[in-house]
Amino acid sequence: AQSVAQPEDQVNVAEGNPLTVKCTYSVSGNPYLFWYVQYPNRGLQFLLKYITGDNLVKGSYGFEAEFNKSQTSFHLKKPSALVSDSALYFCAVREGGGGFKTIFGAGTRLFVKA
Amino acid sequence: DGGITQSPKYLFRKEGQNVTLSCEQNLNHDAMYWYRQDPGQGLRLIYYSQIVNDFQKGDIAEGYSVSREKKESFPLTVTSAQKNPTAFYLCASSISGQGDYQPQHFGDGTRLSIL
Repeated sequence: AQSVAQPEDQVNVAEGNPLTVKCTYSVSGNPYLFWYVQYPNRGLQFLLKYITGDNLVKGSYGFEAEFNKSQTSFHLKKPSALVSDSALYFCAVREGGGGFKTIFGAGTRLFVKA
Repeated sequence: DGGITQSPKYLFRKEGQNVTLSCEQNLNHDAMYWYRQDPGQGLRLIYYSQIVNDFQKGDIAEGYSVSREKKESFPLTVTSAQKNPTAFYLCASSISGQGDYQPQHFGDGTRLSIL
């Protein structure tokens, strides 16, 4: 069965420092991976996805993610954090083999301190 | 601008009452979804629909019902059988269903509470 793990409930980083939000996955077949961000009392917004191709995927707002097949990871990164990046981040995996469901991780809350 | 509109933003339910959450999209998407979000649990799929007049149960469908009479609309009814309905409910859509790996677009949610 497909699953997604976000091992950190919360990540704290100082503004201007690099940030990493971790995600590992388990999926049969090829993984289709996504990152979304959620601000308070709002819906999720799509940041980036990995379907195939380059292991480093670039997305919105300066975020990028690195796909590592051997470690089954898809960590979200940003070289220089902003206070406005503080939000809840979700990693998600789409079922392979023509499946329909998207499985979401439990979320990681990012706090960026000025 | 295209998007997904959920209403109301806040909803209160009395014991034994059914309530309906509205979800409308003008993105011309075929697939629509309902999720429930509880703190620390991520999103759990309630129902999804790949096409008009068809829908499927998700992981936590008990106590909920849906309809898909129009492409643009996918209302969710929380019935009195749902004993713990307090949650944040999110509606989403995507271009198409099976085999499509485009991201989902989300509404801004409805927060349901019990009186």
